[in-house]
Amino acid sequence: GNSVTQMEGPVTLSEEAFLTINCTYTATGYPSLFWYVQYPGEGLQLLLKATKADDKGSNKGFEATYRKETTSFHLEKGSVQVSDSAVYFCALGNDMRFGAGTRLTVKP
Amino acid sequence: GAVVSQHPSRVICKSGTSVKIECRSLDFQATTMFWYRQFPKQSLMLMATSNEGSKATYEQGVEKDKFLINHASLTLSTLTVTSAHPEDSSFYICSARAGGNEKLFFGSGTQLSVL
Repeated sequence: GNSVTQMEGPVTLSEEAFLTINCTYTATGYPSLFWYVQYPGEGLQLLLKATKADDKGSNKGFEATYRKETTSFHLEKGSVQVSDSAVYFCALGNDMRFGAGTRLTVKP
Repeated sequence: GAVVSQHPSRVICKSGTSVKIECRSLDFQATTMFWYRQFPKQSLMLMATSNEGSKATYEQGVEKDKFLINHASLTLSTLTVTSAHPEDSSFYICSARAGGNEKLFFGSGTQLSVL
């Protein structure tokens, strides 16, 4: 079945550092891929998505590229801010399989 | 954007009692709703998928007789935790999707504490 493997956290970075959170997947066919974010005390919300191979999703400075050859959808941001501190979830497909979540803490 | 309302946000109950959690899509018709369970600092575990008007599809290891899901209308799905025990204490989250739309909208979650 479909599954998602996500980089374990927690991740702690200084402000303006470069962020990468790895996500790889196993799936039949080519399902859409998503990154969701959960800020402290809030519910999950969609951060970005990609629907086919080589698509790049982007939002709020975050990017992720759907890589069919490496079955990956890594999340990146060039310069993180304190306000990016949250838990990030990679998700897959129509039945929305989620990764384990990666807690990011950005320190000033 | 679309709104999903989940109620209650927090419930404390005695062991052996049943608890019902509601999930409503407020401004769209949700043909599919998902129920998740989230343990502290862990991921969302998909419990079941419910399509309006049909029986829910449960994930392996989830007891369908314990976690009753009803999706009787296009705007409401309910999860009933029957005969709750302390090990059922967790954060339960619903999400909803309109037909043909991949985007999910999440409820704010329900923290269940069973004493």
